[in-house]
Amino acid sequence: DAGVIQSPRHEVTEMGQEVTLRCKPISGHNSLFWYRQTMMRGLELLIYFNNNVPIDDSGMPEDRFSAKMPNASFSTLKIQPSEPRDSAVYFCASSPDWTDYEQYFGPGTRLTVT
Amino acid sequence: AQKVTQAQTEISVVEKEDVTLDCVYETRDTTYYLFWYKQPPSGELVFLIRRNSFDEQNEISGRYSWNFQKSTSSFNFTITASQVVDSAVYFCALRPFHNTDKLIFGTGTRLQVFP
Repeated sequence: DAGVIQSPRHEVTEMGQEVTLRCKPISGHNSLFWYRQTMMRGLELLIYFNNNVPIDDSGMPEDRFSAKMPNASFSTLKIQPSEPRDSAVYFCASSPDWTDYEQYFGPGTRLTVT
Repeated sequence: AQKVTQAQTEISVVEKEDVTLDCVYETRDTTYYLFWYKQPPSGELVFLIRRNSFDEQNEISGRYSWNFQKSTSSFNFTITASQVVDSAVYFCALRPFHNTDKLIFGTGTRLQVFP
């Protein structure tokens, strides 16, 4: 079975450019999570969706960040405009229905903003 | 407050040694879940175990074992006869039952196993 799929795996962009990260959750999973990992702040939850609806976006750093989940099999995290401090590894994770609580993580997207 | 503390930043051992990674948590919820994840050098996060607050039985899976003690709010992870492939960062996480679906991660413990 396919796990969580993220693309691209690596992204290098210049400050001010728009960046879009993509995620395909595990089929049948109802919850999807976006995390950011940096050396300074560790793993931070940015936003999560349940049944395609955003439930909690309190972790989104600022208005430059936005996330969408147009259907059960696809989500995007967009940064516009990007800044060097956005450089991090961004993980997408998905979780089965409410009776089960493990989150399964994708391989991550390493973003470098120069 | 909901918090996970992994006081050991980095541990180095020689292959075949046993090693214990500590995890201490704080929560006001009486129902909660605890997790361990492994992050090898390749970067992905791998789920290892989930434990709910009603189940204090220790768990063993091969060389891995977990000791959950509510009295001390700890959920420690032991690797027996460590191997080089165990080298990774290990994260402990907490999910309070009434606090939506958020996982609260500790800062991680980097384990290096030398041959």
